[in-house]
Amino acid sequence: ETGVTQTPRHLVMGMTNKKSLKCEQHLGHNAMYWYKQSAKKPLELMFVYNFKEQTENNSVPSRFSPECPNSSHLFLHLHTLQPEDSALYLCASSQDLGMGEYFGPGTRLTVT
Amino acid sequence: KQEVTQIPAALSVPEGENLVLNCSFTDSAIYNLQWFRQDPGKGLTSLLLIQSSQREQTSGRLNASLDKSSGRSTLYIAASQPGDSATYLCAVVNLWGSSNTGKLIFGQGTTLQVKP
Repeated sequence: ETGVTQTPRHLVMGMTNKKSLKCEQHLGHNAMYWYKQSAKKPLELMFVYNFKEQTENNSVPSRFSPECPNSSHLFLHLHTLQPEDSALYLCASSQDLGMGEYFGPGTRLTVT
Repeated sequence: KQEVTQIPAALSVPEGENLVLNCSFTDSAIYNLQWFRQDPGKGLTSLLLIQSSQREQTSGRLNASLDKSSGRSTLYIAASQPGDSATYLCAVVNLWGSSNTGKLIFGQGTTLQVKP
């Protein structure tokens, strides 16, 4: 596999469920990011990790919990989500912070 | 607070036309500016990255310019093709002191349709 991969590509979950989104980058990059893309709104940065350390939490509700076990993997743990959390969640990576980001295909999340 | 605006929101042109997409940003203290392409339901593909010290970048039929002092960037697409149909997103990374913040701030995008 090359580039940035995300699984699953589609996810439907109820408000009481717990699920996780996975991102893996095969580029040897040091920084990884989670973004949320909702209809009619600009892409919003959620979290930034640099060398496995979280450097940015953009006022994201605690029902979203990121995890970065190593510089190649990034997870987004989801619990007790709301219908307005339905969106496309995109993962990205870059060699260093702000140095040209490569995006994964995204996970389309629907909360029922 | 940095805000990025893209005009127009949507654009439809016949095949073969040259076209310009516009991006403006409110805070000129940027580290770099990037243009991305997004196909429906897909992730983003990086097209061009312009460092704050640069004026333009070119890749094939694409040319992006940057005027940092006026807070503007344009993406020029020459000889447009139906395969260019997509949403084009502009994003900036702000400076924090002498470093970058590592945060991409996006515009809402311009949705382009090129008709055969």
